[in-house]
Amino acid sequence: DTEVTQTPKHLVMGMTNKKSLKCEQHMGHRAMYWYKQKAKKPPELMFVYSYEKLSINESVPSRFSPECPNSSLLNLHLHALQPEDSALYLCASSQVSSSGDTQYFGPGTRLTVL
Amino acid sequence: AQSVTQPDIHITVSEGASLELRCNYSYGATPYLFWYVQSPGQGLQLLLKYFSGDTLVQGIKGFEAEFKRSQSSFNLRKPSVHWSDAAEYFCAVVGGYSTLTFGKGTMLLVSP
Repeated sequence: DTEVTQTPKHLVMGMTNKKSLKCEQHMGHRAMYWYKQKAKKPPELMFVYSYEKLSINESVPSRFSPECPNSSLLNLHLHALQPEDSALYLCASSQVSSSGDTQYFGPGTRLTVL
Repeated sequence: AQSVTQPDIHITVSEGASLELRCNYSYGATPYLFWYVQSPGQGLQLLLKYFSGDTLVQGIKGFEAEFKRSQSSFNLRKPSVHWSDAAEYFCAVVGGYSTLTFGKGTMLLVSP
């Protein structure tokens, strides 16, 4: 089973709201990723967690705050977002964060910021 | 730094016809290469991957890809396209810090 699940599927929030995106995998993977994808563009890497520790932050604004409470869960906390943050947010996981590992993606959360 | 070029933004193919999507990469060492497919509003599904060994790689849904080091290419092929294959296709290479670098994608349209 190569399933990564994400909740919610859709999220609409105002610029003053606080919300969270959730990602879960039960494949025993030790690396998890957040990507942002705008329409008609490829995914852009935001964060990488390896063994529950943040290993890469691609200069993402602090209004996005990732959290990895355990090896199966990855959260993305959102606060004071801007309309330009509206996008599809994808979670992925891989066995470990090394070159030979395949990343498996979840279905994404479609975020709209009003 | 690594990069991926998908020269075709859109491709239209008749149902039942053959398909080839082009991908060129730039990477100093032996590349790890992937093809993903994305239906509208969905996540990315892995079609196939190349790490080493046989340069012709078989994937899911009848897709295959051929790694050609001399041409820095990893083109995706399918002998007979189905209407359900209409989607966006992304080629990707693993680069520094084991992160994926994606091409800009090719949108496949299938005509009846």
